[in-house]
Amino acid sequence: GAVVSQHPSRVICKSGTSVKIECRSLDFQATTMFWYRQFPKQSLMLMATSNEGSKATYEQGVEKDKFLINHASLTLSTLTVTSAHPEDSSFYICSAQRRARETQYFGPGTRLLVL
Amino acid sequence: AQSVTQLGSHVSVSEGALVLLRCNYSSSVPPYLFWYVQYPNQGLQLLLKYTSAATLVKGINGFEAEFKKSETSFHLTKPSAHMSDAAEYFCAVSEPGQAGTALIFGKGTTLSVSS
Repeated sequence: GAVVSQHPSRVICKSGTSVKIECRSLDFQATTMFWYRQFPKQSLMLMATSNEGSKATYEQGVEKDKFLINHASLTLSTLTVTSAHPEDSSFYICSAQRRARETQYFGPGTRLLVL
Repeated sequence: AQSVTQLGSHVSVSEGALVLLRCNYSSSVPPYLFWYVQYPNQGLQLLLKYTSAATLVKGINGFEAEFKKSETSFHLTKPSAHMSDAAEYFCAVSEPGQAGTALIFGKGTTLSVSS
């Protein structure tokens, strides 16, 4: 159990377009989902925390108008990168948590390349 | 603020040799501690976690880690390395008692295994 999927796994888009990434908990309900960003050969940096039915909490330095997060149900959170630029190219990873203080389960990641 | 330090960005061992990956944390209270493994272009897989129960934690794939409060350490070990252990390893910390608290990751250690 505790499987988290992400879609798409890889996306290439043109500069100025928007890209939506989905994160789904397949066999459990996640009260909280997290979005991380990972640059090549670096660690994961938390972008935002989203709780079902409420607004996401963004980390300092993350533009909430650029990285739109929606957590409309207990099994789905989406990250939309609006007006993407080449510097947004990165590996985006989500994780999901059933309840507070429980283990986070990670998705396989989405590699975004903005041309 | 909490932080995690992984000593050694790159560790190389021979197949069959002991694996030791170091992790130190800074926290005012004993945190929850985790080790994750990441294979190229994939998400993170949980190896093991410490959540204030037994200080010696056994995980998957023959890995284990020992929580030492006096040393604020949570080093990861495996008695005998396999070629398949070559990957990126991340130590992470979260503070108990905070709902939906995200993980703070170390910078990662790349493990190489030679035959």
